[in-house]
Amino acid sequence: NAGVTQTPKFRVLKTGQSMTLLCAQDMNHEYMYWYRQDPGMGLRLIHYSVGEGTTAKGEVPDGYNVSRLKKQNFLLGLESAAPSQTSVYFCASRDPGDYGYTFGSGTRLTVV
Amino acid sequence: SQKIEQNSEALNIQEGKTATLTCNYTNYSPAYLQWYRQDPGRGPVFLLLIRENEKEKRKERLKVTFDTTLKQSLFHITASQPADSATYLCALESAGNKLTFGGGTRVLVKP
Repeated sequence: NAGVTQTPKFRVLKTGQSMTLLCAQDMNHEYMYWYRQDPGMGLRLIHYSVGEGTTAKGEVPDGYNVSRLKKQNFLLGLESAAPSQTSVYFCASRDPGDYGYTFGSGTRLTVV
Repeated sequence: SQKIEQNSEALNIQEGKTATLTCNYTNYSPAYLQWYRQDPGRGPVFLLLIRENEKEKRKERLKVTFDTTLKQSLFHITASQPADSATYLCALESAGNKLTFGGGTRVLVKP
């Protein structure tokens, strides 16, 4: 099925551990985004990319890094996880000519 | 600072009635505004986009209005059904192709 696929769906990390969240889209979209969603805070933009090889900071980038080596993939890395990074992470994509974002189903991350 | 505000209280409505949700924004001059639906445990799903020069947009039982003077959008679900129960998010795009979301309003349609 066409769309945005996020892996893993669930993960529990210990404080200080690192991990990478993978986002893959098969719609040949130019733009990709990482958001986090927390109760009472809504969706907040972490990092985004407007094309292969480009990345930019969003609203809450601290503690995260990203890479867009291939157009279809957007990776979100946590180098040293902290309990404050416990959240649900959503990836989204779209093309410049379109406006509606296509979201993945999310990754639920718990840092203990 | 830029703000997008949606009523954080859940909207409980009887099946068949019209649900009306509000999105207010400050310190934006958006070219367009978007509405999304989010079900528990799922990602948001795009519903409708309305441009600044459009007063109203419709899609099936959904209607969106956009008043750039009041800095407000209204989202209506007519003839609501229990399957319409979800959280509805309003979103604005700012410079740099970045979408900013409101906190969402949960709608519960009772049979």
